Amino acid sequence: GDSVTQMEGPVTLSEEAFLTINCTYTATGYPSLFWYVQYPGEGLQLLLKATKADDKGSNKGFEATYRKETTSFHLEKGSVQVSDSAVYFCALANFGNEKLTFGTGTRLTIIP
Amino acid sequence: DAGVIQSPRHEVTEMGQEVTLRCKPISGHDYLFWYRQTMMRGLELLIYFNNNVPIDDSGMPEDRFSAKMPNASFSTLKIQPSEPRDSAVYFCASSLAGGELFFGEGSRLTVL
Repeated sequence: GDSVTQMEGPVTLSEEAFLTINCTYTATGYPSLFWYVQYPGEGLQLLLKATKADDKGSNKGFEATYRKETTSFHLEKGSVQVSDSAVYFCALANFGNEKLTFGTGTRLTIIP
Repeated sequence: DAGVIQSPRHEVTEMGQEVTLRCKPISGHDYLFWYRQTMMRGLELLIYFNNNVPIDDSGMPEDRFSAKMPNASFSTLKIQPSEPRDSAVYFCASSLAGGELFFGEGSRLTVL
């Protein structure tokens, strides 16, 4: 079945550091890929998505590129801020499947 | 525009008691999902509905759990009897035609 594997946390970085959170997937067909973010005390919210190979999703300075050859969708940001501290979830949805498969989440803490 | 609304936000109960969690999805959304989040198991899909009909309840842990959606604007997740291992944050999410998921803020359940 479909699965998502993401980088174990927690990840702690200093403000303005470069961020990468790795995500790889296993799926049949051509899934859509997502990053969701969960701020403390809140539900998850969509950060960005990509629906086909080589697409780049971007939002709030975050980017992720759908790499079919490596089955990856790594999340990156060039300069993180304290307000980026949250838990980040990678997820996929296969065509015709309204159900998302989530990774385990990566907790990110940014230190001033 | 109101998002997904869940109640209660916090519930503390004793083992053996019945617990009912409530969810109001975004108006017009036709899919509703119930998730459970714990430190040990991450985010788990319990059940989801399409047009008020349960589609997949394979994630429901056991017969103590039940979910209903009597109409398009209301769903409940019931645990009877509750056990300490049911302690978790329960999220409701809704989507339109299987698109982006919108999550509520969650119901934090503690069973003593």
